Amino acid sequence: DAKTTQPNSMESNEEEPVHLPCNHSTISGTDYIHWYRQLPSQGPEYVIHGLTSNVNNRMASLAIAEDRKSSTLILHRATLRDAAVYYCILRDVDTGNQFYFGTGTSLTVIP
Amino acid sequence: DSGVTQTPKHLITATGQRVTLRCSPRSGDLSVYWYQQSLDQGLQFLIQYYNGEERAKGNILERFSAQQFPDLHSELNLSSLELGDSALYFCASSARDRANSPLHFGNGTRLTVT
Repeated sequence: DAKTTQPNSMESNEEEPVHLPCNHSTISGTDYIHWYRQLPSQGPEYVIHGLTSNVNNRMASLAIAEDRKSSTLILHRATLRDAAVYYCILRDVDTGNQFYFGTGTSLTVIP
Repeated sequence: DSGVTQTPKHLITATGQRVTLRCSPRSGDLSVYWYQQSLDQGLQFLIQYYNGEERAKGNILERFSAQQFPDLHSELNLSSLELGDSALYFCASSARDRANSPLHFGNGTRLTVT
């Protein structure tokens, strides 16, 4: 499976935008980029996914680099409820149903 | 609420015992995944089923087994339990077995082996 690299932790002030980076330099053409988050004591929650174009939904935006070797999850206004571990994952049609999670980025939101 | 139901929420048992964890996927989802999350290991993929058939295996021990039934619910059986099996076990489901199909997770079963 193609690997992703994320910072271990980040901090953000409440009500400010947060940009969570993810590097995936070995991404293949058929890999979808998925983002999930896990709040304390809960199961992971789907946030957003994309292939090549930027994507927006009610939770967040996903900005994908033109060469697809990196992506950024954007939370437009961080709230205390956004404090969680955020996982960036690649899912390949050909190799993969395994959906491997890395260590993710632990986001702290400061009131 | 993800729509994925896992029972029981908590389970405490002794070493050497056997337990069964149950998962009901979201309505209409055909694929079920099992993950183990312990403090020092992160989320580890165990196994995936699609419409009753095993599709992928991850780091699942031989003491563990799973199945998906005709009504699409799934069970994860853990036997000869060891202290190290204490963890959160998550089930997830997806509508289709495709790379662009998001996973929806339940809130897990916390297993404590004493």
